[in-house]
Amino acid sequence: QSALTQPASVSGSPGQSITITCTGTSTDIGAYNYVSWFQLHSGEAPKLLIHDVHNRPSGISQRFSGSKSGNTASLTISGLQAEDEAEYYCSSYTSSSLYVFGTGTKVTVL
Amino acid sequence: EVQLLESGGDLVRPGGSLRISCAASGVAFSHFAMTWIRQAPGRGLEWVSSIGGSGFSTYYDDSVKGRFTVSRDNSKNVLHLQMNSLRVDDTAVYYCAKEDSRVVGNNRLESWGQGTLVTVSS
Repeated sequence: QSALTQPASVSGSPGQSITITCTGTSTDIGAYNYVSWFQLHSGEAPKLLIHDVHNRPSGISQRFSGSKSGNTASLTISGLQAEDEAEYYCSSYTSSSLYVFGTGTKVTVL
Repeated sequence: EVQLLESGGDLVRPGGSLRISCAASGVAFSHFAMTWIRQAPGRGLEWVSSIGGSGFSTYYDDSVKGRFTVSRDNSKNVLHLQMNSLRVDDTAVYYCAKEDSRVVGNNRLESWGQGTLVTVSS
């Protein structure tokens, strides 16, 4: 099972919106709505931001939103803040194993 | 509040074995499936293994199948990963994560530990 494809890096200025894409195949993102997004700050436990394509867990800011079209999922961060500087990973259920993660995207706040 | 604490990470020789654990608190442990994810140095997250709440259903990535065994002791709220025939490319920080249901598969890994480092090197 190959990793889902994400851009290596995305950057934006405070207050701007950025979008991170996650491209899979018809056996993972294209077939199931079990798409999640995770935020990793160095030295901290990863945090679930989005599940089931667009649902936010309790306590997650509305600035984070998710969507999906075909084999590609997207995470949008609105009103970018310094604290959003982190690594972001998508993940999907896949029929070929169980779960597959994306290659990861480093977000830099300029 | 759910807390997950991994332990047991160590330096191991290639071909060696190691068991890492994940202690859970603040949760009805047996009600939830659990998953192991790893991150090799400079690499991305990689799913390793998952186990249902009862412990009867287990799942493995092809890269560890036949070498790793996931198990849980619901009486002690502990998750284990027995790793045998370790290879250099198994070197990674290993995270445990709690799913939001007893059954594996919905990809809602809602709580994670901070990880334990496993280094395989001669």
